Order: sequence, then structure tokens, then C-alpha cells
Amino acid sequence: AQSVTQLGSHVSVSEGALVLLRCNYSSSVPPYLFWYVQYPNQGLQLLLKYTSAATLVKGINGFEAEFKKSETSFHLTKPSAHMSDAAEYFCAVSAEGTPLVFGKGTRLSVIA
Amino acid sequence: GAGVSQTPSNKVTEKGKYVELRCDPISGHTALYWYRQSLGQGPEFLIYFQGTGAADDSGLPNDRFFAVRPEGSVSTLKIQRTERGDSAVYLCASSLNGVRETQYFGPGTRLLVL
Repeated sequence: AQSVTQLGSHVSVSEGALVLLRCNYSSSVPPYLFWYVQYPNQGLQLLLKYTSAATLVKGINGFEAEFKKSETSFHLTKPSAHMSDAAEYFCAVSAEGTPLVFGKGTRLSVIA
Repeated sequence: GAGVSQTPSNKVTEKGKYVELRCDPISGHTALYWYRQSLGQGPEFLIYFQGTGAADDSGLPNDRFFAVRPEGSVSTLKIQRTERGDSAVYLCASSLNGVRETQYFGPGTRLLVL
């Protein structure tokens, strides 16, 4: 079975500062990994996904994530936070033929 | 094109009542998923359709929950004898083919059981 752990239910950063949202996964087979963002009263939107190609994955809105098998991690980063990045972020894992398993989410606040 | 739509956006019902939640996937998407998101939690998988058939219903919590997709497009999630613990946001998603493809989510239906 797969599982995801997101460290930190709430992260607060200043505008222009580095964003780092942590995600660790557990999977007995090579995983596919995803980051989704959820803005208030909206559906989840895919930021990026890892599908066993390049380990550094670039997504929308300047976000990227690096797959590190040795650390079973898939942390999400952005060099410079914008006010518009304030939202809930979810990491998810999928293995062969299985539906997505989501973490509990990390709420990102951006301070002006 | 149009994204995934869900109706109603909000539903308030009384304990013991029956509710139906509807999902319209993106046109041409063969895979459809239902998730439940409780307050402060990530989405939790309920059921996954490939075409008209349920490929995986292992996430349905009990036999009060049932979902159908009779023509391989629109899906309805049905909850019988609702309980207060069923209160949550019910999310629907679709993907072009299988589970490893990008899932596109609808805005959800917020269900409140009084």
C-alpha cells in the first residue's frame, strides 16, 4: 500500500522568500508522484507530476519538485513566493493500477 | 473545453435522508473518480470507474454508499440513510484513460448532514 506524509500542516513565508513544502512517500513499487494545489472554494489543480522520467520536475506557476528515491521524498519548492501562492497544497502518490493516495495537505500563507 | 462539473455545489440534508450527488466529467474521459474530503484532511478515494464499470470500489466506507455511471459519462454518487459523519466535500475527477494519467477535479459538492 502507498502512503504520503506531508510535514507541516501550515507553512508561512514572506513574499519573495523561498517556498519549501515537504512530502515523503511510501510505496513498495516505483511510484508516480503528484502535487496539487487547492484555492479556496475551488477544485484541485495539478501543479506537477513525476512519472519516472527526469527526477527534477518543473510545474506551473514557477514550482518544481525533485524526486529523491534514497530519501523517499518529493519536496515542492519555489524560489520566490507571491501573494497569489497562498493556498492548500497536497502531495499524492499512485502505484501501478491504484488510485491516488493524498497527504493531509499543507496550508501555505504568504506574508506581505 | 469545459472542465469537470458537480451538482449541487452545496447540499444540506437531515440525518437518515437519501442524497444523490452528480458529476459531469470532461468529455471523452473514460476514467472517473470519487473522493471525499473531510475538514483538515486530504481527499480520500472512494470509487473509480473505467467506462461504465467500477474498476475499484475499495474506498466506499460501507453499503450505504453506492455510485453508478450507466452510460460511461455522467456519474451519480448515492448515499442512503445519511449520518452526520457523512458531512464532507465530495470531489469528482476524471482522466483520459487510467489512474496514472492526470486527474482533473471538479469544484466539489459540500454535503452537510444535520
